[in-house]
Amino acid sequence: GAGVSQSPSNKVTEKGKDVELRCDPISGHTALYWYRQSLGQGLEFLIYFQGNSAPDKSGLPSDRFSAERTGGSVSTLTIQRTQQEDSAVYLCASSPLQGDTEAFFGQGTRLTVV
Amino acid sequence: AQKITQTQPGMFVQEKEAVTLDCTYDTSDPSYGLFWYKQPSSGEMIFLIYQGSYDQQNATEGRYSLNFQKARKSANLVISASQLGDSAMYFCAMREGYTGGFKTIFGAGTRLFVKA
Repeated sequence: GAGVSQSPSNKVTEKGKDVELRCDPISGHTALYWYRQSLGQGLEFLIYFQGNSAPDKSGLPSDRFSAERTGGSVSTLTIQRTQQEDSAVYLCASSPLQGDTEAFFGQGTRLTVV
Repeated sequence: AQKITQTQPGMFVQEKEAVTLDCTYDTSDPSYGLFWYKQPSSGEMIFLIYQGSYDQQNATEGRYSLNFQKARKSANLVISASQLGDSAMYFCAMREGYTGGFKTIFGAGTRLFVKA
């Protein structure tokens, strides 16, 4: 497809389990972002990949969160030992290198930890 | 420190009137871009308008315009002739240049309610 694709669209998991969220960016986009959005709230920055540079992990809330981007394309956000406060919509976005182009967002993964 | 500040958690506007949503930013990078996005209740993020730090004129896109005041580090969104479909959450965002690693960060958002 032409847009940013995220899977799954919904995920319900039990507290303590690990989850993996996937993001397929737009082909050719060098930048990839993960954000978290709790209900009715703003976008909390989690992690940012830009080309082959080391990722900016400054937004990851704890060491239970990690992300990879393989081959400069697909990214996986992993949450270990999920907690109820991890429940949120996780949004992925990608953009080309040019600074004047907006970030394109996926539809998000709604994570519910029960 | 907050780099993007949206001080209005919620705003009401009468249909057909104009409304201004505030956004201030903080950066020492001389090169940066400012963006506004709309997020309706469906959850999708819709890009509205872009302003570059070196742009001399305020950006406009249809009913949207960006009131860019560089010295004040302000990038307010103006929506003219509000419509019921404008009811949504609006986010201001900034992408810094090299010194900021080209990262895009978002404000907390303003929820706009358009009244009939």
